[in-house]
Amino acid sequence: IAGITQAPTSQILAAGRRMTLRCTQDMRHNAMYWYRQDLGLGLRLIHYSNTAGTTGKGEVPDGYSVSRANTDDFPLTLASAVPSQTSVYFCASSPTGDYGYTFGSGTRLTVV
Amino acid sequence: GDSVTQMEGPVTLSEEAFLTINCTYTATGYPSLFWYVQYPGEGLQLLLKATKADDKGSNKGFEATYRKETTSFHLEKGSVQVSDSAVYFCALGGVRTGGGNKLTFGTGTQLKVEL
Repeated sequence: IAGITQAPTSQILAAGRRMTLRCTQDMRHNAMYWYRQDLGLGLRLIHYSNTAGTTGKGEVPDGYSVSRANTDDFPLTLASAVPSQTSVYFCASSPTGDYGYTFGSGTRLTVV
Repeated sequence: GDSVTQMEGPVTLSEEAFLTINCTYTATGYPSLFWYVQYPGEGLQLLLKATKADDKGSNKGFEATYRKETTSFHLEKGSVQVSDSAVYFCALGGVRTGGGNKLTFGTGTQLKVEL
C-alpha cells in the first residue's frame, strides 16, 4: 500500500539520549515534512525538505536535525532529548507545488 | 505571518445534528485553504480544499466555502454520524516564496457525535 511508514510507533526515551525517528515514503513525492502535535497547540512544523539534498527549518527546529539523502527517506534526529520534546511526531509528504499532504501514522515519544 | 484560528472544542453533537466548525485565517496574498481530519490513533487525512475565493470544497457530506471578504473557511455538514467523531484541522497554504508548499495548521477541533 502506497504511503508513509514511520518507526517506531512509540518510544520511551531517557533524557539526554539520542534518538532518530524514521520516515519512508513510496510515492516519489519531492517534498517531505516533520510536524509535532501537542494538545492545544495543534501541529507545528519542525523541518521540511522541498527535494532530495535540501532541507529547511520550520517553526520549532531547535533540538532537532534532519537529512534528505534520497527521495524516499527523511529521518528526524533528537541529538540530546529533553522532556519538552515529549510529543506525537508526524511525517508527511506531498508532490511539488501541492498542498495535499499524505501523513504517516505518527510516533508517540515520551522523554523521561 | 500566516495564521489560522479555529473554534475551541470539544464539540459534542447528537447524531443527525448540523455541524459548523469555524475557521478564520490571516495571510498575505491569496492562500489555498484546507480541512484535514484525524481519526483516533491515525495521521491526518485531507478532507477538502479550496484554492480561490468563492470556491466550495466538498467531500463525504462536508462542505466549506472560501470567503475572502470575511477571511473564513467554515466547515459544515448537514447531518453528522457517530463515525464523524474525530479531530478537524483547518489549514492554510501560503503564497510560495521559495519555501515550498508548507501548510500552517490551526489547533484542531475535536468533534464527538453521540447516539
